[in-house]
Amino acid sequence: AQKITQTQPGMFVQEKEAVTLDCTYDTSDPSYGLFWYKQPSSGEMIFLIYQGSYDQQNATEGRYSLNFQKARKSANLVISASQLGDSAMYFCAMREFYGNNRLAFGKGNQVVVIP
Amino acid sequence: DVKVTQSSRYLVKRTGEKVFLECVQDMDHENMFWYRQDPGLGLRLIYFSYDVKMKEKGDIPEGYSVSREKKERFSLILESASTNQTSMYLCASSSTGELAKNIQYFGAGTRLSVL
Repeated sequence: AQKITQTQPGMFVQEKEAVTLDCTYDTSDPSYGLFWYKQPSSGEMIFLIYQGSYDQQNATEGRYSLNFQKARKSANLVISASQLGDSAMYFCAMREFYGNNRLAFGKGNQVVVIP
Repeated sequence: DVKVTQSSRYLVKRTGEKVFLECVQDMDHENMFWYRQDPGLGLRLIYFSYDVKMKEKGDIPEGYSVSREKKERFSLILESASTNQTSMYLCASSSTGELAKNIQYFGAGTRLSVL
């Protein structure tokens, strides 16, 4: 069964606008972590932000914030004030406490920022 | 900064060749991972290692083997390369630290073409 679901088609976003990328997950583990990675066309996966299942507050890292809704099992990434360099694939991933350090990845969202 | 280095960015091999993909990390991480990434399929885990000489199969280990003789180095081996192993290969490492956080840091990837 798919653990991470990212279903949005490719997105175009105007420079300086905010964009929200959807991620839903499926787990029965009470303790887990959620991650977002960015993959530009060069290929490297770049870690962006982390949210723990027991964290009381939504995670923020600079222009990135995570809208964590535990009851709905969603962990949406919000990128504020988009820049041209934000054009990339974005992957949501989950690590479960009993998952032996393994990450389950979604299939990704393509974002293109236009000037 | 964490550095995960993959020995080649691009590699072209012939069917039947033995192929070695090397990965080195400089952060003394216990865990290392090999993924392959294909369009529409996302990242799939091939093998991972949580200690020197220790390895565990991921989701798609068939046709691959690995070697971890030193903590900083994790090698992926294609014993007899086939065209269906043409893909992007990504190496990652993580520490065994705070439970369920253990961020995975990735290398730049190796684009392998098997002709």
